[in-house]
Amino acid sequence: EAGVTQFPSHSVIEKGQTVTLRCDPISGHDNLYWYRRVMGKEIKFLLHFVKESKQDESGMPNNRFLAERTGGTYSTLKVQPAELEDSGVYFCASSPSTGSGELFFGEGSRLTVL
Amino acid sequence: DQQVKQNSPSLSVQEGRISILNCDYTNSMFDYFLWYKKYPAEGPTFLISISSIKDKNEDGRFTVFLNKSAKHLSLHIVPSQPGDSAVYFCAASPRTQTGANNLFFGTGTRLTVIP
Repeated sequence: EAGVTQFPSHSVIEKGQTVTLRCDPISGHDNLYWYRRVMGKEIKFLLHFVKESKQDESGMPNNRFLAERTGGTYSTLKVQPAELEDSGVYFCASSPSTGSGELFFGEGSRLTVL
Repeated sequence: DQQVKQNSPSLSVQEGRISILNCDYTNSMFDYFLWYKKYPAEGPTFLISISSIKDKNEDGRFTVFLNKSAKHLSLHIVPSQPGDSAVYFCAASPRTQTGANNLFFGTGTRLTVIP
């Protein structure tokens, strides 16, 4: 069974540009999460989808970040325009609607904003 | 304001000895706790968890202890192996409802097991 996959693995862009990160959750997982880790700090929650609906987006830093999950399958996270402080590793995770509470993480997308 | 804290950024242990990783939390609403392990360039992988109704959970070489009154949990690895070298994240969830929990993570502890 395929795990959570994320693309790209690394993106380098200039301040002011736009980047779109993609996450494919484990097939059948209704819950999809985005997290971010900045400069060796904690892994911080951004938002949570249940199927195609945003359940909780309290962690989104500001309106430069837009997440979508059309059709309740894969999700995208767009940063527009990117700022220096957006640099970090963006992790996607998924979980089934019933389970132990464990989240399954992807390998992350490293974003570097110059 | 960080609700889950791992105050030791790194830990070195000799192979075969016990590794003890510590974690403190501030939110009394947390009732489900997890440890994740992370290798470089990989995502965190689930290691072990514990519900607030328990004070200990064991899985092979890994044991997690929970002290609710102190809002403290620890992960014991015994015996430690070189392959255990990784960054360990403590995480907590405010609900026991399965499958839909936002996790709050600590900053991680880098464990190095010396052969």
